[in-house]
Amino acid sequence: QVQLVQSGAEVKKPGASVKVSCKASGYNYPSHGISWVRQAPGQGLEWMGWISAYNGNTNYAQRLQDRVTMTTDTSTSTAYMELRSLRSDDTAVYYCARGQGHMDYWGQGTLVTVSS
Amino acid sequence: DIQMTQSPSTLSASVGDRVTITCRASQSISFWLAWYQQKPGKAPNLLIHTASTLESGVPSRFSGSGSGTDFTLTISSLQPDDFATYYCQHYNGYRWAFGQGTKVEIK
Repeated sequence: QVQLVQSGAEVKKPGASVKVSCKASGYNYPSHGISWVRQAPGQGLEWMGWISAYNGNTNYAQRLQDRVTMTTDTSTSTAYMELRSLRSDDTAVYYCARGQGHMDYWGQGTLVTVSS
Repeated sequence: DIQMTQSPSTLSASVGDRVTITCRASQSISFWLAWYQQKPGKAPNLLIHTASTLESGVPSRFSGSGSGTDFTLTISSLQPDDFATYYCQHYNGYRWAFGQGTKVEIK
């Protein structure tokens, strides 16, 4: 069955970087893109960007494009999302999800806490 | 970027009620729209894509309609398991976005 398993919770200081991983299994990894979505505490969903698992092409949300990098490793069926220059308002649960457009399978979420 | 506006933000309803949630795009997105259900502490769950296609395994009481800028999600007969927050999401072009969400509460 399709599974997306994300790395564990992180606590970071303001100005630091975080890199979250998302390991896929149960399907042909290169044939589906991976999106990243975050959700601040008590808030709605925010689309962060998308990466093609086939060729690594990316699209980023305009408000994050200067601080985010998404990469993929087809040898391990793993996608990565790195966010730099962290601020307190980056505290959120970060999700990866399969799909280029609508997202049909989701990871369990990774809590990233930014605090001094 | 295209903005998505959902209404209402909160909806109080009873089991058995017919419920309709609206999503409006700031410009035409054709039929590139999905609906998700999210329960507290859980990842979202895809209900509908391409505006009206029911995802496999989703109960038939859920339906979607619309195209262009105006879309609706309808639950024909609200069940206890349906109390949750619902989000629309467009995927037209290269930058996508979610609506702000609609919380369906018990009346």
